[in-house]
Amino acid sequence: GIQVEQSPPDLILQEGANSTLRCNFSDSVNNLQWFHQNPWGQLINLFYIPSGTKQNGRLSATTVATERYSLLYISSSQTTDSGVYFCAVGKAAGNKLTFGGGTRVLVKP
Amino acid sequence: DTGVSQNPRHKITKRGQNVTFRCDPISEHNRLYWYRQTLGQGPEFLTYFQNEAQLEKSRLLSDRFSAERPKGSFSTLEIQRTEQGDSAMYLCASSSRPVMNTEAFFGQGTRLTVV
Repeated sequence: GIQVEQSPPDLILQEGANSTLRCNFSDSVNNLQWFHQNPWGQLINLFYIPSGTKQNGRLSATTVATERYSLLYISSSQTTDSGVYFCAVGKAAGNKLTFGGGTRVLVKP
Repeated sequence: DTGVSQNPRHKITKRGQNVTFRCDPISEHNRLYWYRQTLGQGPEFLTYFQNEAQLEKSRLLSDRFSAERPKGSFSTLEIQRTEQGDSAMYLCASSSRPVMNTEAFFGQGTRLTVV
């Protein structure tokens, strides 16, 4: 099956800092999503981005499908950005998602 | 559109008991997925349905686990003879049949603790 690796595993930021999270995957995919898991466990959709670049407020994401990686950018981080960020990928049949191990982000005031 | 809904949110059960969880997907979505997440890990795929048909099951889904989606709407996940290793967050997701967009949306999860 597809392997998904996220880096770094842990990230500590000072409020206001910028950061980049990376997701590498081992095979071609037709679905790539970024999620933020809140302290209660719910996965919040950030981006659906199998290719290209998208922006939503202080967050943006880029997926280079031909090179099998995706990047999530957090700018001007806030304490509410703390949590675990997951990258998940899917292939055509059934579109089940394979998740990476996550990046645990802590933003300090 | 109220999103994906899961019940109960929390379940504590004694080892050996049976438990059942429910998932109500987004109404126009015909694909429904179950995942399991243990502490410190990413979610892992268990099974998925397209309408009422169960099309794939992970090897993680032992014979103590059964999932149904009888009318192609809500789904239930039952665990029989629970074990302590079943303690986890059980997540449900739904998506529409892929044409241009296969984005999946998740419910709040059911956190199971087996004591």
